[in-house]
Amino acid sequence: DGGITQSPKYLFRKEGQNVTLSCEQNLNHDAMYWYRQDPGQGLRLIYYSQIVNDFQKGDIAEGYSVSREKKESFPLTVTSAQKNPTAFYLCASSYRDLGRNEQFFGPGTRLTVL
Amino acid sequence: DAKTTQPPSMDCAEGRAANLPCNHSTISGNEYVYWYRQIHSQGPQYIIHGLKNNETNEMASLIITEDRKSSTLILPHATLRDTAVYYCIVDTGNQFYFGTGTSLTVIP
Repeated sequence: DGGITQSPKYLFRKEGQNVTLSCEQNLNHDAMYWYRQDPGQGLRLIYYSQIVNDFQKGDIAEGYSVSREKKESFPLTVTSAQKNPTAFYLCASSYRDLGRNEQFFGPGTRLTVL
Repeated sequence: DAKTTQPPSMDCAEGRAANLPCNHSTISGNEYVYWYRQIHSQGPQYIIHGLKNNETNEMASLIITEDRKSSTLILPHATLRDTAVYYCIVDTGNQFYFGTGTSLTVIP
């Protein structure tokens, strides 16, 4: 089955701890993205990567870090510097052709910081 | 600044057409309009996209005005399973800009 997976679905952490969210895709997509969604709001871009070993900050990158060592994987670390980390996190991937940028989304990880 | 503006909520009778509007008055000439929908606590699902011509697929139709400042997503025969939040998105080529979406409720 081709697709994009995120794990875990629910994650609980204590305040002050770093936590890493997993995102894997087997769609052979070059680009991958991380979004944050808060209740009643749209998605906001945290980081994106258009090619292995390269990534760019999105609109709300502060307090987050990423790596892109493999084409299939784009893990997101929520650091203790992120002031309000409790949210729903979505990963996506896509080709990089203009007009063919349809993003495929994973099922999301709901992070709760206690 | 939001790149898209949508009404927060709409209702539609089952079996009727649902017309969801979106304003994107600052869109640039090479930026695409995408529509996705999201059922609660799931990942958004692609519906349709377009640049300046009207588009149709098995799920919906997309009507883009000639000046490209607004568009309308049409679900021709809404069913209860179409109840979701619908997002109108501007694609700059590097990233998607999501609005706050329209919560569509299909009423039996």
